[in-house]
Amino acid sequence: NAGVTQTPKFQVLKTGQSMTLQCAQDMNHEYMSWYRQDPGMGLRLIHYSVGAGITDQGEVPNGYNVSRSTTEDFPLRLLSAAPSQTSVYFCASRKQGAGTDTQYFGPGTRLTVL
Amino acid sequence: GQQLNQSPQSMFIQEGEDVSMNCTSSSIFNTWLWYKQDPGEGPVLLIALYKAGELTSNGRLTAQFGITRKDSFLNISASIPSDVGIYFCAGQRGGSNYKLTFGKGTLLTVNP
Repeated sequence: NAGVTQTPKFQVLKTGQSMTLQCAQDMNHEYMSWYRQDPGMGLRLIHYSVGAGITDQGEVPNGYNVSRSTTEDFPLRLLSAAPSQTSVYFCASRKQGAGTDTQYFGPGTRLTVL
Repeated sequence: GQQLNQSPQSMFIQEGEDVSMNCTSSSIFNTWLWYKQDPGEGPVLLIALYKAGELTSNGRLTAQFGITRKDSFLNISASIPSDVGIYFCAGQRGGSNYKLTFGKGTLLTVNP
């Protein structure tokens, strides 16, 4: 198993550009989520999904869109990037109904918006 | 939203020393988790706690779920240089959404 994979690892955008951060898992996990990590702020939940076709907002959803067309993939879209979205983004997945100790994080995408 | 207060923010210790860090909340959590993050990597789960009062060990790491369900601590005994990293606590209230609330992290530096 590759676990949770994220691409790209690094990205630089200009204000107003759009892009999609990719996340995939091969563990057949129902639950997937996106976090952003900023210095001194810990990890904050952006969006999450409890299964294909179902998504919901987390703590800081503004400026981000998600969709879940398959169990494996959970892309995060920035429609019009802003400097405030400069951050490290982590995707995570877990098995629905299992103990929380099954949650795995990806290696992260480091995004800079100029 | 819910807040987790994690302390200390950073620690500088000598190799071999013991370390203690904790998280407190104004809300009750059903699950407490402790993660470690190495530079350039995603967080990795260290210990999960599911019952109030539970004390769980993982090698040199020991964590406890507070009786009030509003706090948890993590101890690291006999620290070694590879313990360097950021340690996060996280709480989950339960229910069907499995959302986690994270503390802001404790940066641990171990001097050899």
